[in-house]
Amino acid sequence: QEQLQESGPGLVKPSETLSLTCSVSGGSISGYYWSWIRQPPGKGLEWIGHIYYSGSTNYNPSLKSRVTISVDTSKNQISLNLSSVTAADTAMYYCARVKPGQFDYWGQGTLVTVSS
Amino acid sequence: QTVVTQEPSLTVSPGGTVTLTCASSTGAVTSGYYPNWFQQKPGQAPRTLIYSTSDKHSWTPARFSGSLLGGKAALTLSGVQPEDEAEYYCLLYCGGGLWVFGGGTKVTVL
Repeated sequence: QEQLQESGPGLVKPSETLSLTCSVSGGSISGYYWSWIRQPPGKGLEWIGHIYYSGSTNYNPSLKSRVTISVDTSKNQISLNLSSVTAADTAMYYCARVKPGQFDYWGQGTLVTVSS
Repeated sequence: QTVVTQEPSLTVSPGGTVTLTCASSTGAVTSGYYPNWFQQKPGQAPRTLIYSTSDKHSWTPARFSGSLLGGKAALTLSGVQPEDEAEYYCLLYCGGGLWVFGGGTKVTVL
């Protein structure tokens, strides 16, 4: 069974760039889409964007100007960069595997706090 | 941008049945929106229950079912168990490679 694990700094300063990695084990990145989703404390889920294993991306229009998602097939990793962060970007960040029309496996998430 | 709307909260008795719905601001939800449903319990990551309107994962309990109902996507819990108390989110594919979550429904088993 595929396992996903998010990792990265738990604390980021305002105006800096948030950088996270999703490491995939038990399977290959190839053939799938990989989504990033976030959840501010006490609030609902927000789809950030996704990447196909070949590198094509789609982003939430509300975040598009600040988001970059990339993939490293040699390391079986997907990365998320979110620039110019503010306190509103404080959230649990999740990665998930996606087949056409189908979300299946999720990581356990990583909490990122934006604070000076 | 598309807004996806769910009931904020629902209450159901143990052993009862409850239906959650998921509406799109752009019109009727069809199979082409590939509705996915997720369950999230406090302190846990979401877990996918239903995809592509009504398909189940191997781990999805049989008491959960998905459908289209009156122009909305629907998730029905039949024979509700105490452990079904959770937040439930729907997710719709809105075209152009974009997905949008609903605001979530808190289901209380009482």
